[in-house]
Amino acid sequence: DGGITQSPKYLFRKEGQNVTLSCEQNLNHDAMYWYRQDPGQGLRLIYYSQIVNDFQKGDIAEGYSVSREKKESFPLTVTSAQKNPTAFYLCASSIDTINQPQHFGDGTRLSIL
Amino acid sequence: EDQVTQSPEALRLQEGESSSLNCSYTVSGLRGLFWYRQDPGKGPEFLFTLYSAGEEKEKERLKATLTKKESFLHITAPKPEDSATYLCAVQGYTGGFKTIFGAGTRLFVKA
Repeated sequence: DGGITQSPKYLFRKEGQNVTLSCEQNLNHDAMYWYRQDPGQGLRLIYYSQIVNDFQKGDIAEGYSVSREKKESFPLTVTSAQKNPTAFYLCASSIDTINQPQHFGDGTRLSIL
Repeated sequence: EDQVTQSPEALRLQEGESSSLNCSYTVSGLRGLFWYRQDPGKGPEFLFTLYSAGEEKEKERLKATLTKKESFLHITAPKPEDSATYLCAVQGYTGGFKTIFGAGTRLFVKA
């Protein structure tokens, strides 16, 4: 079955530590996205990538970094510069960025130790 | 600025009690409006895309409709397994590719 796999499901970060969230898709989609979901708020876009080796900042990119070296993979690093990282992180993909529904993984919940 | 507002924040229904969820949006030219279902601890699952006013889509007990200012998700004779958070999202022409998500409506259906 095609889909998006996020790992780990739960992640804990210590002060001053960078952590990386994995996102892999086998849908052959060109576009991939990272969102942050906080209680009572809509999904907020962190980064997106329209094609391999290209990515752009979203609305809340500060303290995060990404790479897109392969079509299937779009890892997100939460750096120590992100002062409020506790949230539910969702990765999504779509055929392209215009007018296409996004398909989501099951998320990674990040907490601070 | 593109904006999406969903109401109510939460809705409690008895099994079989039909109702509607509202999604009001502000965009300068609508490319598409999307409905998703999200279960606790899971990612959103795509339900429908609507592109123009007057369009309707149906899936089992769910029916989505679209006007120039809002969309409704009608739930007919809901069952407990319909309990979830329903998210609305829009993509407009001026926002480029960006999809704006509402905060969602949490639906609880009691047996």
